[in-house]
Amino acid sequence: QSALTQPPSASGSPGQSVTISCTGTSSDVGGYNRVSWYQQHPGKALKLMIYEVNKRPSGVPDRFSGSKSGNTASLTVSGLQAEDEADYYCSSYAGSTYVFGTGTTVTVL
Amino acid sequence: EVQLVESGGGLVQPGGSLRLSCTASGVTFSNYWMSWVRRAPGKGLVWVSHIKSDGSTTTYADSVKGRFTVSRDNAKNTLYLQMDSLRADDTAVYYCARAAFWAFDYWGQGTLVTVSS
Repeated sequence: QSALTQPPSASGSPGQSVTISCTGTSSDVGGYNRVSWYQQHPGKALKLMIYEVNKRPSGVPDRFSGSKSGNTASLTVSGLQAEDEADYYCSSYAGSTYVFGTGTTVTVL
Repeated sequence: EVQLVESGGGLVQPGGSLRLSCTASGVTFSNYWMSWVRRAPGKGLVWVSHIKSDGSTTTYADSVKGRFTVSRDNAKNTLYLQMDSLRADDTAVYYCARAAFWAFDYWGQGTLVTVSS
């Protein structure tokens, strides 16, 4: 299974929005509404930010939102804050298995 | 508070074996599917395996099928990954994660496995 494709980096100034794409195929992202997004700060555990394309777990700020169109899912961080600087990974169910994205480093300028 | 703690990582020679453990606390472990995910140095996350809440169903990535075995002991709140015929490209940090709603909602800090002679 090939990894989902994410841009290596993204950046924005505080208060701006940044959107990260996650491109797969009809066998994963396009085939199921089961895309999730994870945040990881250096040395910290991975944190679930979005599940089932656009649902936020309790405690995740509503600045984080998810969407999907065809084989591409997206994570948007609105009102960027310094604490949002981290690595982000997408993941998709792929019919009994899962596949992760290549990862995106978000920098707050 | 849900906590997942992995252990068992270390240095092993190519062709060798290692068993990882993941102990859960603060959660009704037996209610959830559990997964193993790994990250090789400088690479991204790769899903490795998962196991149903009662242990009756297991699935593996093609890269580890036939070499790795996932199991669990719900009485001990512990998840295992038996890794045999290890190769250099199995070198990675291995994470256990709780699965819920087709996502992974809690993660451990990981344990490093290094396969090298």
